[in-house]
Amino acid sequence: DTEVTQTPKHLVMGMTNKKSLKCEQHMGHRAMYWYKQKAKKPPELMFVYSYEKLSINESVPSRFSPECPNSSLLNLHLHALQPEDSALYLCASSQILGKDGYTFGSGTRLTVV
Amino acid sequence: GQNIDQPTEMTATEGAIVQINCTYQTSGFNGLFWYQQHAGEAPTFLSYNVLDGLEEKGRFSSFLSRSKGYSYLLLKELQMKDSASYLCAVSFLNYGGSQGNLIFGKGTKLSVKP
Repeated sequence: DTEVTQTPKHLVMGMTNKKSLKCEQHMGHRAMYWYKQKAKKPPELMFVYSYEKLSINESVPSRFSPECPNSSLLNLHLHALQPEDSALYLCASSQILGKDGYTFGSGTRLTVV
Repeated sequence: GQNIDQPTEMTATEGAIVQINCTYQTSGFNGLFWYQQHAGEAPTFLSYNVLDGLEEKGRFSSFLSRSKGYSYLLLKELQMKDSASYLCAVSFLNYGGSQGNLIFGKGTKLSVKP
C-alpha cells in the first residue's frame, strides 16, 4: 500500500460546528504532516508529527487541533472555524528524515459557511 | 529561515521544451522535490534531487546545484495535459537534524498552447 487516504473528500461546515478530518497511511512512515492550501497558493505547513508526537506547530490557531492516535492515523479536529479557513487540507507522510519522498493524500476540500 | 523562488507563470507551445527554474536559501538542506499540481487536486511527485546533477525520468528531467542553491525542471515534448502548476519544494532538517520537513515555493503556473 503506497497511498495516503484522506476522508472526507469534501466538507461543508458552519462556524459553530465541530468536525474532524482523517488521514491514514500504511507505508510505515513515522512522520505525518498537515498542510493548508488556499486557491492559487502553495501548500503551507501546519503541523508535523514525528513518532506520533507533535514536533512542529507553525503558529496555527487553536481552533485547529491535531491528533495522532497511532503511527498510521492522523486527525485534524476543527472547531469554531471562520470562513477564511476554507481551503484544501492536505495530509502527507514520509520517513522521519524525508529522504525517500513525501506522499500526499488527495486532500479534503473544506468550506466554512 | 527558508526561502524558495520560482517564476509565477510561464507559457510554452505544444511539442516544445520548457525549463522552470527554482532558487533556494535554506539551512540543513535535505533534498529538493518537484511536484505537479492540477487545479483542485493534490500535488503529485515528479522528481527528487539530493546530489548535484541531472535526474532524468522520461519527458521530465531535474537538475540540482547545491553550491548555487539552484534547481530546474525540464519538460520535453510538451503536451496540453502538462498545463498545471509546478511546485519546487525543499526538504530541510529541523531540530538538529532529527526531523525532515518539506517547504514549498509559490509554484509556477505553466500554460501549454497548441
